[in-house]
Amino acid sequence: NAGVMQNPRHLVRRRGQEARLRCSPMKGHSHVYWYRQLPEEGLKFMVYLQKENIIDESGMPKERFSAEFPKEGPSILRIQQVVRGDSAAYFCASSPTSGGRNEQFFGPGTRLTVL
Amino acid sequence: AQTVTQSQPEMSVQEAETVTLSCTYDTSESDYYLFWYKQPPSRQMILVIRQEAYKQQNATENRFSVNFQKAAKSFSLKISDSQLGDAAMYFCAYRSVIGAGSYQLTFGKGTKLSVIP
Repeated sequence: NAGVMQNPRHLVRRRGQEARLRCSPMKGHSHVYWYRQLPEEGLKFMVYLQKENIIDESGMPKERFSAEFPKEGPSILRIQQVVRGDSAAYFCASSPTSGGRNEQFFGPGTRLTVL
Repeated sequence: AQTVTQSQPEMSVQEAETVTLSCTYDTSESDYYLFWYKQPPSRQMILVIRQEAYKQQNATENRFSVNFQKAAKSFSLKISDSQLGDAAMYFCAYRSVIGAGSYQLTFGKGTKLSVIP
């Protein structure tokens, strides 16, 4: 039973380019969370999605960042026109259903470096 | 909004000894989950232990145990018989269980634990 998968594990972009981060949840999980970890910081919530729906994007920067979780395929976190401050580790976590009693299972993260 | 505070940026412990990591939180909710996560150099987030607020008994997982003081909003992690593999960043986290929110985790800034051979 494969865990949460994220790819790529490492991504290098130059300022102004686009970054696309992918997250495949655990089998049977239809809920995905994205978190960002800046250097020397804890993880911070960005967005919560269910299949084909964004439920809560209160932690997402208002510009350049978007997320989707289509009916088929992985969840995508997209960062347009990246800047050096976007350099961070991005983690996704999945859970089987909604509700606070369900555990979130984390992927290994994608480390984004913006040159 | 809930906040989680870890006041010890770094800690060290001798191998085989015991160490306690501190965590305090702020919330107005009566039911919630608290977690300790371990993040080794690989950066994988590993769940160490969790505690549900309405359970008075402190959670225990092998060498890891918590001291949950609900009134004081304190949730410390005790690691007994420390091993070299325990060296990592440790994050305390909070999660609501009631209401119509998204139930995201709120993390502290972490404590870096070093284990001295």
